[in-house]
Amino acid sequence: GDSVTQMEGPVTLSEEAFLTINCTYTATGYPSLFWYVQYPGEGLQLLLKATKADDKGSNKGFEATYRKETTSFHLEKGSVQVSDSAVYFCALSGNNDMRFGAGTRLTVKP
Amino acid sequence: DAGVIQSPRHEVTEMGQEVTLRCKPISGHDYLFWYRQTMMRGLELLIYFNNNVPIDDSGMPEDRFSAKMPNASFSTLKIQPSEPRDSAVYFCASSFGVGRITEAFFGQGTRLTVV
Repeated sequence: GDSVTQMEGPVTLSEEAFLTINCTYTATGYPSLFWYVQYPGEGLQLLLKATKADDKGSNKGFEATYRKETTSFHLEKGSVQVSDSAVYFCALSGNNDMRFGAGTRLTVKP
Repeated sequence: DAGVIQSPRHEVTEMGQEVTLRCKPISGHDYLFWYRQTMMRGLELLIYFNNNVPIDDSGMPEDRFSAKMPNASFSTLKIQPSEPRDSAVYFCASSFGVGRITEAFFGQGTRLTVV
């Protein structure tokens, strides 16, 4: 079945460092891809999405490009802030359900 | 809209007791998902409904777990009897999709502790 694999954390960075969180997927057909973020004590909220190959999703300085040839959707941000500390989930929606990766905990230190 | 509403936010119960978690999806959404989150296993899809009908319950861990959606505005996840290993945060999410799920909106979650 469809699945998502993302890099394991935790990831610890200094403020203004460059962030990459890797995500690859396995799916039949042409899924939509998502990044969700979870702040402490809260539910998941959508960060960005892409619905077809070569689409780039972006929000709050984060970006991810839907790469069909490498079945990837890596999350990047050029300069992280302390407020970006959270757990990040890669997800896909394909055959009428939504599957999530294990989550990557990011801690940004001042 | 107030978003997806889950209750209770926290539940502490003794092993062997019945636990019922509740969810009110966003009005107009036709998909409803139940997820369980633990440190060991991450975010697991337990079951999801489309138009109040259960579509895939293959993620339900065992027969002690059951879920219902009697109407478009309400769903329950029941654990009977509960066990300490059921301790987790349970999330409900809803979405609108016609053949392809769009963004899923999550509730705040219910933190369940079974002692």
